[in-house]
Amino acid sequence: AQRVTQPEKLLSVFKGAPVELKCNYSYSGSPELFWYVQYSRQRLQLLLRHISRESIKGFTADLNKGETSFHLKKPFAQEEDSAMYYCALALRVGGGADGLTFGKGTHLIIQP
Amino acid sequence: ETGVTQSPTHLIKTRGQQVTLRCSSQSGHNTVSWYQQALGQGPQFIFQYYREEENGRGNFPPRFSGLQFPNYSSELNVNALELDDSALYLCASTQQGLNTEAFFGQGTRLTVV
Repeated sequence: AQRVTQPEKLLSVFKGAPVELKCNYSYSGSPELFWYVQYSRQRLQLLLRHISRESIKGFTADLNKGETSFHLKKPFAQEEDSAMYYCALALRVGGGADGLTFGKGTHLIIQP
Repeated sequence: ETGVTQSPTHLIKTRGQQVTLRCSSQSGHNTVSWYQQALGQGPQFIFQYYREEENGRGNFPPRFSGLQFPNYSSELNVNALELDDSALYLCASTQQGLNTEAFFGQGTRLTVV
């Protein structure tokens, strides 16, 4: 069965410090992984996906199949990065569009 | 372009009752997925609808059912409510295809007493 693990419930770092939010997954097939973010009083929204290999708001995430990880990184944290972050794995449920398996989330707090 | 909208925003029901939650998909999206998010947990996939049919299901019992309408909007129905059904219910819409971004609604907060 698919599973996504985010070991840190809460991560607090100072502004300007590097950030790494950990995500590990278990999946027997070829994974499609995403990071979703939820800012205070806003809806869940896509931050980035591994297939596009892009950097959004300074965040990057590299899929490591050997370690089954998809950690989210940013070299210099900003106060506006404070939010709830969810790692998600796409499920192949039907003709192509996917349901998602989410981790429990990591609450990132950036201290001034 | 309109976003995903859900109604109602909050709801209180009694154990054993039935509830219907509604979702309007983002303009241009033809697929709707429903998720249950309990307090302190990530969203859990309930099911997905495409072309007015259930297109995949997570680990939820049959008392969780749904509908999709020709305009792609969707309903989630839960029968015989239990206390553990108290959660935030999220709807997400996508366009059928590989690796498409899911756009989420604000959710409906259901409390079962």
